[in-house]
Amino acid sequence: AQTVTQSQPEMSVQEAETVTLSCTYDTSESDYYLFWYKQPPSRQMILVIRQEAYKQQNATENRFSVNFQKAAKSFSLKISDSQLGDAAMYFCAYRSASWVIQGGSEKLVFGKGTKLTVNP
Amino acid sequence: AAGVIQSPRHLIKEKRETATLKCYPIPRHDTVYWYQQGPGQDPQFLISFYEKMQSDKGSIPDRFSAQQFSDYHSELNMSSLELGDSALYFCASSTPGQGGEQYFGPGTRLTVT
Repeated sequence: AQTVTQSQPEMSVQEAETVTLSCTYDTSESDYYLFWYKQPPSRQMILVIRQEAYKQQNATENRFSVNFQKAAKSFSLKISDSQLGDAAMYFCAYRSASWVIQGGSEKLVFGKGTKLTVNP
Repeated sequence: AAGVIQSPRHLIKEKRETATLKCYPIPRHDTVYWYQQGPGQDPQFLISFYEKMQSDKGSIPDRFSAQQFSDYHSELNMSSLELGDSALYFCASSTPGQGGEQYFGPGTRLTVT
C-alpha cells in the first residue's frame, strides 16, 4: 500500500518570503500522480498543483512550484512571495495512475498535513 | 466555473439515527469519490463510483452505503450513527483523461450527539 509522509506538522513564514513544505511517499508503482491540496480555515480542499510521475519537469503554478525527485520519492512544495491568504493546512496526496481493474486505485492517499502560518 | 455541490452543509443527528448526504458532481464529471475527515485528521477515502458502478472501496463501515444515480449525483447513506462518525464528509469528482485530478466539494459537517 502506498503511504505519504509529511514530516513537518507546522511551518511558519514571513509575508513575502519563501517557504518549502516537505513530502515523501512510498510506492512500488512506476506511474502515478502527486498533488498538493490546500485546506484553509473554511475547510474547503483546494487543489494547488499536480505532478505526473512520468514527467521529469517540475510543475509550476504561479507562486507555487514543486521539486519532484522520483528516485528519492520526494515531492516538496515551494511557495514564493508568501501571502497572508496562503495560511492553511497543506496536504500532500498520491494517486495511482492505474485503473482499479489494472490493480491500481483511484483513491487519493493523503499525508497528515502541514499547518502553514504566514506572519505579517 | 461550476463546482461540486454537497448538501446539506451541516447536519446534526443523534446516536443510532440515519443520515443521507448528497453530492452533485461538476457537469460532465462521471466519477464521484467520498472521503471522511475526522477532527485534526487527513481525509480518508470511503468509496468511489464510475458511470454509476462502484469502482473502488476504502475503509467504509458496513453501516454506510452509497450509490450513484443516472444523473451522476451520489448519495451516502449512514445508519446506526455513532459518536465517532462525527466528521467532515467530502465528495469529489473527476473525469477520465484529466490527469487524475479530483475536485472537492465544500463538505458536509456531520455532528452526532
